[in-house]
Amino acid sequence: QVQLVQSGAEVKKPGASVKVSCKASGYTFTSYYMHWVRQAPGQGLEWMGIINPSGGSTSYAQKFQGRVTMTRDTSTTTVYMELSSLRSEDTAVYYCARGSYGSGSYYMDVWGKGTTVTVSS
Amino acid sequence: QSVLTQPPSVSGAPGQRVTISCTGSSSNIGAGYDVHWYQQLPGTAPKLLIYGNSNRPSGVPDRFSGSKSGTSASLAITGLQAEDEADYYCQSYDSSLSGYVFGIGTKVTVL
Repeated sequence: QVQLVQSGAEVKKPGASVKVSCKASGYTFTSYYMHWVRQAPGQGLEWMGIINPSGGSTSYAQKFQGRVTMTRDTSTTTVYMELSSLRSEDTAVYYCARGSYGSGSYYMDVWGKGTTVTVSS
Repeated sequence: QSVLTQPPSVSGAPGQRVTISCTGSSSNIGAGYDVHWYQQLPGTAPKLLIYGNSNRPSGVPDRFSGSKSGTSASLAITGLQAEDEADYYCQSYDSSLSGYVFGIGTKVTVL
């Protein structure tokens, strides 16, 4: 079955960087885009960006441009999201979500369980 | 502030019908971009509930339905059940932002 398995929780100090992984299985890795979405405590969902695992092209939300880097490793069917210059407001659960297409529409059909990132001094 | 506006909360008794609105603008829903809905049960990851405005993925009960008109979309839950208590998010694409956007989320409470 289709699965997205994310890396474990992280605790980082302000100013540091964090790299979260998302290993995909159960489907052809290069046939589906991958989104990253985050959720701060008690808050809603916030889209961070998207990567095409086939060629590695990316598109980032304006808010995160310059601070986020999304990459992929096709040999291990894993995508990565690295966020730099962390601040307390980056404390959140980070999700990867598969981008799918159907009925003329693009949507996020499978989600990882999330990775908690805590930024604290 | 989200570019997609949802009511913070809605409630209903078991068996009742509730609706959640999602209001956008001419750069997202009004531009023709589809609306999708996600259900997030407490402490879990979001789950796709409705895609392409009104399509249900396999396994989603037909109690859930979606519609879109103009710059708005709606999610309806008929025959409300206790297990429907969750947060619901609408999502679309915004051409001004060149990115995907979510509503702020609506908490559904079953009385």
